[in-house]
Amino acid sequence: AQSVTQLGSHVSVSEGALVLLRCNYSSSVPPYLFWYVQYPNQGLQLLLKYTTGATLVKGINGFEAEFKKSETSFHLTKPSALMSVAAEFLCAVSDRANTDKLIFGTGTRLQVFP
Amino acid sequence: DSGVTQTPKHLITATGQRVTLRCSPRSGDLSVYWYQQSLDQGLQFLIQYYNGEERAKGNILERFSAQQFPDLHSELNLSSLELGDSALYFCASSVQPAGGDTQYFGPGTRLTVL
Repeated sequence: AQSVTQLGSHVSVSEGALVLLRCNYSSSVPPYLFWYVQYPNQGLQLLLKYTTGATLVKGINGFEAEFKKSETSFHLTKPSALMSVAAEFLCAVSDRANTDKLIFGTGTRLQVFP
Repeated sequence: DSGVTQTPKHLITATGQRVTLRCSPRSGDLSVYWYQQSLDQGLQFLIQYYNGEERAKGNILERFSAQQFPDLHSELNLSSLELGDSALYFCASSVQPAGGDTQYFGPGTRLTVL
């Protein structure tokens, strides 16, 4: 069965530093790939997604992710972290079948320090 | 604001009881998904409906059921509630049932079973 692994349940960076959140998927057939952000006591907001085409995907708020088939990865980056409320970042996949049900990773909590 | 509404926001009930969670999708979205988020299991897919018909099922317990009505709103019914059912329940909607379409999440219903 399809699975998603997010390495690091907590990541802390200094303001202005690079943010790198890791995501690997398990299937041999590349799935659709998504990154969502969840702020405390709120729903999920889509940051970006990869379905087809260019493997470097740009999302909202300066986030990017690159699909690497050879590494079965879809890591999320942001060149310069900004101070903000701590948030949970969730990587998800859906397989290219007749449903878009999402399978989520366990999430990574990002904290940015001054 | 994603355009997906969920009611109620909070629900506190006792073991053995039955509750109904309601979801209204974004205008024009035909597909509705239900997810459960708990501390021990993370975010898990429960069930998907598309234009009134069940499309996909996840690890949804037999005590749980759902439906999508002709006006496209959906209800998730949870019965014989147990302490372990305490969780955040999210509804999401998309235009299409597959193809990598973006799912927009509601703010969630927090269920507490005492």
